[in-house]
Formats: sequence, C-alpha cells, structure tokens
Amino acid sequence: DQQVKQNSPSLSVQEGRISILNCDYTNSMFDYFLWYKKYPAEGPTFLISISSIKDKNEDGRFTVFLNKSAKHLSLHIVPSQPGDSAVYFCAATHTGTASKLTFGTGTRLQVTL
Amino acid sequence: DSGVTQTPKHLITATGQRVTLRCSPRSGDLSVYWYQQSLDQGLQFLIQYYNGEERAKGNILERFSAQQFPDLHSELNLSSLELGDSALYFCASSVLGANTEAFFGQGTRLTVV
Repeated sequence: DQQVKQNSPSLSVQEGRISILNCDYTNSMFDYFLWYKKYPAEGPTFLISISSIKDKNEDGRFTVFLNKSAKHLSLHIVPSQPGDSAVYFCAATHTGTASKLTFGTGTRLQVTL
Repeated sequence: DSGVTQTPKHLITATGQRVTLRCSPRSGDLSVYWYQQSLDQGLQFLIQYYNGEERAKGNILERFSAQQFPDLHSELNLSSLELGDSALYFCASSVLGANTEAFFGQGTRLTVV
C-alpha cells in the first residue's frame, strides 16, 4: 500500500522556468510533510517541510504548497537551475506518534539549458 | 556533509552470507533510522532506534536485525542474504524521536551475487 505517491517518475524543465513536482498521500493521519533531494551516490538531503497547520511554506527559490482536502502537496522551484537536477522525494509522517517517514518513489528532475 | 557516517560504502557478498552495516549518527542525535532503497524504488523504512531502544519497525525481514549501542552508533545485520537484498541501505539520524528533518548518510550499496 503506497501511502505517499509521486506519479511522475521524471520531469524536464528549461533553466529559468518553474519546476512543479507533485505528491499525493492517502493517510489522513499524516501531519508533517517534507521534500528531500537526492543526487547520485549521495544520501537524500532535506530541502523543505510543511506542517499540516499551514498551506504554504517558502524558502528562497523553493515553495511547498499543501492542500489537505485533496491530500496533495507540491514543490515549486523558481527559477529552476541546472544544479537542481536530481531526484526529489516527497515524505510524510505523523509527528504525534513519532512515526517514521514514509517516502514516495521519487521524481527525477532534469533542468536543461 | 550531513554528519552521518555509514560504512562500508560498497559491499559485495555471496548469497547465504551475513553482513553488518554500520552507522554513526550526527553528534547529539539520539534517533537512528534504517531505510532500504531497491532499484528505482522509494526509500522503505526498516527500523528506528531511539537512545538505544527499538522505537518503530517497518518492513524489515526476519533475516535482518539492528541494534543501537550506548555510544549511539547503530548496526544493521543482514543474514542468509538473497539476490533480492541487493539495494542501497541508508541510515538517518535526528535529534528527537520523531523522524522529522532526519539527516541521511551516503548509504551502503550492497550487491549480493
């Protein structure tokens, strides 16, 4: 049972344009959501997070939007840069039970020149 | 550098064998988590330790076991290895029991031949 889904395995975006990565979840107990970025041969790196009490969190070029009613979140990267090319994982957790992070399968973003 | 150290980086072993993967968490982090990433899959949670005690268990096979030592480093033991156990094994650590903003090591790539 895939509780966190990233339905787009890959995404290609031109440098300078907006990248939008999507994530859906099914478990209504999740109340904290995170995005991780992963380069080849490296471990995932924390990028940005959002609590379920918010609908938007911004950090520089990265913004995460949360739509609780749709159980959907998205990561916007503006403007996209070649160095953003990586695999992006969406993750979710229920902080009240100190439970583990449940990851999606990832979206490979390629930013082209 | 996340501050989480995993050894070894690569491991090649035969079916039926047993291996031990080691993880040193970031200084001050009490929680250690183990994840498995098979080819083109998301990260599957295996097990969590908090200050030496098992805190949560995920999809960990009975052939696998883990422990966290008094100095907070952790070991993941994989026995009776099968070809399907070939994967990247990541360790992550965080300060508190909740798996939020966990910091990942670079992973151990296990190849079973």
